[in-house]
Amino acid sequence: AQRVTQPEKLLSVFKGAPVELKCNYSYSGSPELFWYVQYSRQRLQLLLRHISRESIKGFTADLNKGETSFHLKKPFAQEEDSAMYYCVFWASGGSYIPTFGRGTSLIVHP
Amino acid sequence: EAGVTQSPTHLIKTRGQQATLRCSPISGHTSVYWYQQALGLGLQFLLWYDEGEERNRGNFPPRFSGRQFPNYSSELNVNALELEDSALYLCASSLGQGGNSPLHFGNGTRLTVT
Repeated sequence: AQRVTQPEKLLSVFKGAPVELKCNYSYSGSPELFWYVQYSRQRLQLLLRHISRESIKGFTADLNKGETSFHLKKPFAQEEDSAMYYCVFWASGGSYIPTFGRGTSLIVHP
Repeated sequence: EAGVTQSPTHLIKTRGQQATLRCSPISGHTSVYWYQQALGLGLQFLLWYDEGEERNRGNFPPRFSGRQFPNYSSELNVNALELEDSALYLCASSLGQGGNSPLHFGNGTRLTVT
């Protein structure tokens, strides 16, 4: 069965510091991976997906099939980045069920 | 474009009762997913409906059920409520199957079972 792991429940950094939110998955096929974000008092929303290879709000994430990872990175954190971040795995060609990691709460201090 | 809407926002029930939660997807979206977000447990997949059919269900007892209507709106029913059913229930819609069509979430229904 596919599984996605976010090892950190909480990540606390200061403004301007680099940020890396970790995500690892277990799946033998080709995955589709996403990062979703939930800001305070807002609904859960898509941040970025691996197939787009784009940078959103300064965040990037690279799929590393060798390490089965999809870590989310930003070189300089901003206070407005404080939110809950979820790594989401979707098995391509499988049962089409998006599986969410437990989430990492990012707090960026001024 | 109107987003995914869920009703009610809050629902308080007593143990043993039944709860009905509703979800209206974004116009044009045919897939509806239901997730349970209990405290400290992240989002647990409940049910997936597409084109009016139940396509998959998560590891939940049969007292969790639902349906999708011809207009693609959906209902989640929870029978014989238990205290541990207290959670935020999130609905998401998408254009169709697979990761090419990302999920769009509603604000959720907060169910409290006393």
